[in-house]
Amino acid sequence: NAGVMQNPRHLVRRRGQEARLRCSPMKGHSHVYWYRQLPEEGLKFMVYLQKENIIDESGMPKERFSAEFPKEGPSILRIQQVVRGDSAAYFCASSPSGTVYEQYFGPGTRLTVT
Amino acid sequence: SQQGEEDPQALSIQEGENATMNCSYKTSINNLQWYRQNSGRGLVHLILIRSNEREKHSGRLRVTLDTSKKSSSLLITASRAADTASYFCATDPDDYKLSFGAGTTVTVRA
Repeated sequence: NAGVMQNPRHLVRRRGQEARLRCSPMKGHSHVYWYRQLPEEGLKFMVYLQKENIIDESGMPKERFSAEFPKEGPSILRIQQVVRGDSAAYFCASSPSGTVYEQYFGPGTRLTVT
Repeated sequence: SQQGEEDPQALSIQEGENATMNCSYKTSINNLQWYRQNSGRGLVHLILIRSNEREKHSGRLRVTLDTSKKSSSLLITASRAADTASYFCATDPDDYKLSFGAGTTVTVRA
C-alpha cells in the first residue's frame, strides 16, 4: 500500500507566479489535511478537506491560497502570485476518518520563491 | 500561538547516551503524539499517548504524560547516529487538527 504521495518534491517559483502542489492520499483515505512548515518552525494546520468538500480552512491565508480535493484525482493546494514569505515546506496528510489518530504524512513539497 | 513547545531547542549527545526532551502545552488534550523529522524529509510518527495514560514505551522510546502540568517527555535510550533528527510533539486541541511545537533538534555524535 503506497503511502501519501506529494509532487513535486521541490518547486521553485518567481515572485508573482502560481504554485500548484499535489497530494495523493493513501488508498482508502478520503480525508486530507495540509500543513505548512516555515524554516525553523513546527507544522501549522492550513486546511482539512474531504472529497469535494472543504471542512475547515481556518489556517489558510485569506488571499491567494486555495485548496480542493475533487471526486477524482489528487488534492491540490494552489498559491497564486507567490511572494518570498510563501517559501516553506508544505505537507499533506491523509486519514481514513476525520481524526488526528491516523494522520499519515507525505514527504512534503519544498517551495522556494525567488 | 503554538500549542506545544519543546525544550530544549537543540541537544547534542554522544552515541550510546540517552536523550530527553520535553513538551509543554496550553489547553486540554485528548492525545499527544511525538514525530521525528530527518533533515529535509517528511514526518515519521513515533508514538501516541492518550490523555488517560501516564507512560508508554515503544522500543527505545519512552514517553510520559503529566496532564496536571500539561507536559510530556520523550526519552530515547542508547542513542544511535540514525536518531539524529528533529523531534516534534503534537497535540490535538481540535479533533482533526494537530498543533505542533517548534521541535527539538537532536544530534548524536559518533
